[in-house]
Parts: sequence; structure tokens; C-alpha cells
Amino acid sequence: SQQGEEDPQALSIQEGENATMNCSYKTSINNLQWYRQNSGRGLVHLILIRSNEREKHSGRLRVTLDTSKKSSSLLITASRAADTASYFCATDGSNTGKLIFGQGTTLQVKP
Amino acid sequence: GAVVSQHPSWVICKSGTSVKIECRSLDFQATTMFWYRQFPKQSLMLMATSNEGSKATYEQGVEKDKFLINHASLTLSTLTVTSAHPEDSSFYICSARDARATARAKNIQYFGAGTRLSVL
Repeated sequence: SQQGEEDPQALSIQEGENATMNCSYKTSINNLQWYRQNSGRGLVHLILIRSNEREKHSGRLRVTLDTSKKSSSLLITASRAADTASYFCATDGSNTGKLIFGQGTTLQVKP
Repeated sequence: GAVVSQHPSWVICKSGTSVKIECRSLDFQATTMFWYRQFPKQSLMLMATSNEGSKATYEQGVEKDKFLINHASLTLSTLTVTSAHPEDSSFYICSARDARATARAKNIQYFGAGTRLSVL
């Protein structure tokens, strides 16, 4: 069953602005990951944050994790039209490697 | 690196026929692969975990006789939708974990481009 809730469901911004997406989950986790999906395609891994980490950076991406609130956020700075996609958080809470995906945020960046 | 090839990307079939979808890890070995189903504008739903050399583990509610999974080698898993019906129409996506990855990377899944199945 899906355990992640993402907020907002849809986000539309202008190029150059920052985009923030939030993810909440229900059970304990080993790590939380963010993936990107372009329309009609597979997913691409963006970043992984472990349960004992609070913040990770990768290029224009910044991910935070608050395990006490069971939430994470993904910040994309200086957005570009090419960032238009759906973004999913996924939690890994077992030793099986299974990921439970959130509902996703659809981001549109207008040129 | 870490490329997963999924084939076909699109298939149309008649009701009652079976369809096979292949998922290959091109430059790494994958002892574990995963099969997902995605409905329009929705998230991914895990169908089953495919383990090389053993039976797949299906998620609750997924019919194992309907969705046959075979993982005969370290680089190939197949999903066969048997006796497909219109309600099986969906986007199917596979992913794989790198068996030789260490530390942080071992938790990452690499995804194929997906297969859009339309059953008439």
C-alpha cells in the first residue's frame, strides 16, 4: 500500500524560481529517496537521504529529512523548463529493498 | 552506467492473449528486480519482487498466475501478462538494484523506460 503523501499535488512556477515539494510517510524508514519521472517514461534517481541524516545536497537539489515528523522536502533552486516532470519520494523501511512511493508532485516550470 | 532496458515500450494486444515484457540490466548484475504498475496520473504500485534463481514475491492482491515473473539470469527478468483483458491495460515499469553496489548505492533502484500495454 502507498504510505507516502506528497504536497502539493501540482506546482507551477516560472523559470528561475525555486520549487519546494514535501513528502510525509507513516512508518519508520532506513532511508528516503527522491525520483523524477518525465511523462510516459521511467523514473530517475535523484538523491538518497539516510534516516540518520538531516540534509543532503546535490547540485541544485536540497533534501531535508525530519524523522520526528516523518517528513521530507525536496527543494529545486533556480528551476529550469527542463525540470518539468513528476517528482516522487520513496521510502525504504525494510531489508527487502522494496520502495514505497508517494503520490507524487507534478512540477511545471514555465519558460 | 546503471542502465536498465525494458522492451517493448508499447504493445497492443487482443483480449485473451499473453504479453511478455523484458527487463534487462545492461551494465550491472541484478539479483533483485522489481515490477510496478502505474495508472495515469498516479503513483507506482509495486506488484512483485523478482529474485534471480528463485520464485518472485508478490504483493498482496496481485495474482501470481496472472502476472508470471521469471528471473532466470542476473541481468534479465520477464513479466508475462497471461490472458490479458482490458482492465490489465496500464503502464508497467521494472527496476533493478545493482548487486555489487556498496553502501548508499545499494539502496538505489534503476528504472526501465516502461511498457504501455493496451488490451483491446
